[in-house]
Amino acid sequence: AQKVTQAQTEISVVEKEDVTLDCVYETRDTTYYLFWYKQPPSGELVFLIRRNSFDEQNEISGRYSWNFQKSTSSFNFTITASQVVDSAVYFCALGDSWGKLQFGAGTQVVVTP
Amino acid sequence: NAGVTQTPKFQVLKTGQSMTLQCAQDMNHEYMSWYRQDPGMGLRLIHYSVGAGITDQGEVPNGYNVSRSTTEDFPLRLLSAAPSQTSVYFCASSYTPGAELNTEAFFGQGTRLTVV
Repeated sequence: AQKVTQAQTEISVVEKEDVTLDCVYETRDTTYYLFWYKQPPSGELVFLIRRNSFDEQNEISGRYSWNFQKSTSSFNFTITASQVVDSAVYFCALGDSWGKLQFGAGTQVVVTP
Repeated sequence: NAGVTQTPKFQVLKTGQSMTLQCAQDMNHEYMSWYRQDPGMGLRLIHYSVGAGITDQGEVPNGYNVSRSTTEDFPLRLLSAAPSQTSVYFCASSYTPGAELNTEAFFGQGTRLTVV
């Protein structure tokens, strides 16, 4: 069975601080995909990043970066120099080849000025 | 390009009533799915479809029916609404034939359903 664990329920930071969101996953599949989605207070789901199981290269995209480690089944996400607009719920998700997603419970990020 | 369109955005039902949540996509995606979001539980898969005429159950299918008569539409039916079905429902689509598998899922805006 697939499982995604986001152990952090809520993280509160002051603007300009960095925020790292933890995600640990379980799967028996050899091919899988990992995602981060953002859900702002308005409620829509916004796609942020995607990684497939064959690509452990970590990247930086603007203020976002991610650390994918297959050895520890982790896919952590960092927001650098946080801003108030980053306040949202962030979901980590594990997907199969078609698009079926298993979501974590989400981490609420609160950024105060 | 509208993406994934869900209707209605809000709905209040009485216990025992039935209704259909509509979902339509215009991206020629083969894969469509329905999730429900409850506080502290993330999104959970209700039903999914890998193409017209093919549907299957997800993690929490009880009390819901789906059908997929066209590529574009994937309605979710609540047969006899119960207070436990109070939730936010999201429809998603992904995977265009010939494209790279599982690029991302595109989500509708969500339907907030309250059953009283």
